[in-house]
Amino acid sequence: DGGITQSPKYLFRKEGQNVTLSCEQNLNHDAMYWYRQDPGQGLRLIYYSQIVNDFQKGDIAEGYSVSREKKESFPLTVTSAQKNPTAFYLCASSMLAGGSGEQFFGPGTRLTVL
Amino acid sequence: GNSVTQMEGPVTLSEEAFLTINCTYTATGYPSLFWYVQYPGEGLQLLLKATKADDKGSNKGFEATYRKETTSFHLEKGSVQVSDSAVYFCALHANQAGTALIFGKGTTLSVSS
Repeated sequence: DGGITQSPKYLFRKEGQNVTLSCEQNLNHDAMYWYRQDPGQGLRLIYYSQIVNDFQKGDIAEGYSVSREKKESFPLTVTSAQKNPTAFYLCASSMLAGGSGEQFFGPGTRLTVL
Repeated sequence: GNSVTQMEGPVTLSEEAFLTINCTYTATGYPSLFWYVQYPGEGLQLLLKATKADDKGSNKGFEATYRKETTSFHLEKGSVQVSDSAVYFCALHANQAGTALIFGKGTTLSVSS
């Protein structure tokens, strides 16, 4: 089945630690995205990538980093510089051209800082 | 810049009631419009979409019509069920390759039996 997987589903970390969230897709999509979701705030774009080895900051990139070494994978690292990292993180992917912009989402990772 | 505004919730309805969730947008050009649904603890699923003016998207009894003259894409359903309880997001895509979707803040729908 084609789709997007995120792991783990729940993640706990201590303050001051970096943590990496996994996102993998087998849809052969060029573009991938990371969003953060907080209650009542909707989705906010952290980073996105259109092609391998290239990525752009979104609206709230501070305290986060990404890499795109493979087309299928777009991991997100939440660094200790992120002041309030507890949130629900969603990864998405889309065709780069030829589509209507529709994005496909993974099931999300809930990160809690203890 | 481009933006999406949707009605604030929560929206609380009884089963079989009529649902409307308002969504308006600001965009240059001709965006594509979407409604996504998020069930508790899950990711977002595409509910329906429309890619040009006057298009009607529909799925699972939900409908929305792309109205360019009023820059709106209101979500409607004639008879809601308890299983429709979820958060609904309106979104637009500016139809420029590689750009991300722009989302509204989401509207929580709660349906009781």
